[in-house]
Amino acid sequence: GNSVTQMEGPVTLSEEAFLTINCTYTATGYPSLFWYVQYPGEGLQLLLKATKADDKGSNKGFEATYRKETTSFHLEKGSVQVSDSAVYFCALSVTGGYQKVTFGIGTKLQVIP
Amino acid sequence: EPEVTQTPSHQVTQMGQEVILRCVPISNHLYFYWYRQILGQKVEFLVSFYNNEISEKSEIFDDQFSVERPDGSNFTLKIRSTKLEDSAMYFCASTQGPEAFFGQGTRLTVV
Repeated sequence: GNSVTQMEGPVTLSEEAFLTINCTYTATGYPSLFWYVQYPGEGLQLLLKATKADDKGSNKGFEATYRKETTSFHLEKGSVQVSDSAVYFCALSVTGGYQKVTFGIGTKLQVIP
Repeated sequence: EPEVTQTPSHQVTQMGQEVILRCVPISNHLYFYWYRQILGQKVEFLVSFYNNEISEKSEIFDDQFSVERPDGSNFTLKIRSTKLEDSAMYFCASTQGPEAFFGQGTRLTVV
């Protein structure tokens, strides 16, 4: 089956620190990979995506590269802000008729001034 | 930008009552889903729906749950007799390609 493993939080960083949230996956078939973000009290927003090996997804200063050889999709940001405080979910879906999304457990990030 | 909308944003119900959660998927999407997130836990797949029938359902989606597309725009999740453990955030999603678009969620509280 499909599964996503990501580091458990919480992760606490000072403003302007470097962020890495690790994510690895197992999938039957060729997955598309995603990072979703959930701000406090809000729903799920797509942060970035990559649909094939070596693709780099990027958005709002966040980046993640689809690494097929290591089955990983680590999220990085060079300089975090207080406004980045949220829960980050790594996820995958396998291309097919429909796109059931499999989520990781989520990593809570807290950025302090 | 097109979006998935869910109503209500928050619903409180008594144990044993029926609830219906409503969703309006993106208009040209063909595949619809419900997911659940119990507070502090991961987002879990409940059910997918295509061409007016269920394509796949998880073991969570037991006989107490049902889905329906009553007209051309709405997609509903019904819980027949709510239990305390049904308290969660419920997300609707729709797809037409590799990316799933999620609604803002309905927070269901069963008391």
